[in-house]
Amino acid sequence: GAVVSQHPSRVICKSGTSVKIECRSLDFQATTMFWYRQFPKQSLMLMATSNEGSKATYEQGVEKDKFLINHASLTLSTLTVTSAHPEDSSFYICSARAFGSAPEGKNIQYFGAGTRLSVL
Amino acid sequence: AQSVTQPDIHITVSEGASLELRCNYSYGATPYLFWYVQSPGQGLQLLLKYFSGDTLVQGIKGFEAEFKRSQSSFNLRKPSVHWSDAAEYFCAVDGSNYKLTFGKGTLLTVNP
Repeated sequence: GAVVSQHPSRVICKSGTSVKIECRSLDFQATTMFWYRQFPKQSLMLMATSNEGSKATYEQGVEKDKFLINHASLTLSTLTVTSAHPEDSSFYICSARAFGSAPEGKNIQYFGAGTRLSVL
Repeated sequence: AQSVTQPDIHITVSEGASLELRCNYSYGATPYLFWYVQSPGQGLQLLLKYFSGDTLVQGIKGFEAEFKRSQSSFNLRKPSVHWSDAAEYFCAVDGSNYKLTFGKGTLLTVNP
């Protein structure tokens, strides 16, 4: 159980275009979803926290107008990279935190497989 | 603010040898602690977690970790490493706001 699907796994786009990445929790409801960015050989950097039905909370230094996050349901969050530029090329990973009565379940983040974005 | 330190950037062990990956955290209260593993180009898989209770926790793939409050540590161990264990390992702490703070990771190479 606790599977998070992230799509697409890899995307190549031209500079100036927008790219949408989907993150779905397949077998559980996610109160909160998180979006991370990972640079080569580095750790994960939290970009934003997404709660169903409300605006995302962005970390300091992350441009909310460039990285649009929508959390329309308890199983789906999307990240749209708008007007992408080569410096936005990176590995983006989402995670979902379980919703439910089990305290332990609510404190575990399950991760998608990531999306490799290359902007030409 | 919470923080995680993984002192070893890269560790190389021989297959069959024992393994210990170090993790130190900084947090005011008792944290929730996690170890995740990442294979190249993949997301993160949860190996094990500590919330409370028994300080020695067992995880998947034969891994275990021990929480030591006095040393602010949560080291990951495995008695006998397999070639398939080669990957990047991340220690993480979850403070009071459900956000994970990750260490910089330790890359494990396994020699045949």
